[in-house]
Amino acid sequence: DGGITQSPKYLFRKEGQNVTLSCEQNLNHDAMYWYRQDPGQGLRLIYYSQIVNDFQKGDIAEGYSVSREKKESFPLTVTSAQKNPTAFYLCASSIVTGGGRRETQYFGPGTRLLVL
Amino acid sequence: AQTVTQSQPEMSVQEAETVTLSCTYDTSESDYYLFWYKQPPSRQMILVIRQEAYKQQNATENRFSVNFQKAAKSFSLKISDSQLGDAAMYFCAYRTDPNTGFQKLVFGTGTRLLVSP
Repeated sequence: DGGITQSPKYLFRKEGQNVTLSCEQNLNHDAMYWYRQDPGQGLRLIYYSQIVNDFQKGDIAEGYSVSREKKESFPLTVTSAQKNPTAFYLCASSIVTGGGRRETQYFGPGTRLLVL
Repeated sequence: AQTVTQSQPEMSVQEAETVTLSCTYDTSESDYYLFWYKQPPSRQMILVIRQEAYKQQNATENRFSVNFQKAAKSFSLKISDSQLGDAAMYFCAYRTDPNTGFQKLVFGTGTRLLVSP
């Protein structure tokens, strides 16, 4: 089945540790996105990528890093510089049609990150 | 900057009844997309319905329909014949002009829908 997978479902981070969240899609989508969700808030954009080897900062990129070496994969690293990493992280992807239109974003099941 | 406001933190409905969730947004653009996403307890975001701003006709998807009032910048979601499986957080989202570079999704804070038997 086509879709977006995220792993792990739960992740625990110790102080000063970098952790990486995985996002894989087999939908042949060009664009991929990372969002953060905090209680009582909507989603906020961390990073996005429109093509392989290219990515851009979103609204809250500080303390995070990404890579896009393959079309199917867009891992997110939460670095020790992110002082409040406890949140729910959602990955999304979308196609890019002619004229730059980017179609509807579809989401993965998410990863919950907790700090020990 | 675009903003999306959902003024109802929580709504309740009985099975088989109809409920309307409100959403307003602020923008100076003329071409954009609006979405309703559902987030059940599993927390996966599921697209419910979308509306293109240039279309005057309101979008419908089975039991879900929208009331899009462009001049009022209002985009409400109506759920008819509510089912227990409709219980979830519902997020309204705005996406900028699709023809001018990257389009960011801007989300509201969500409305929790409770469905009782």
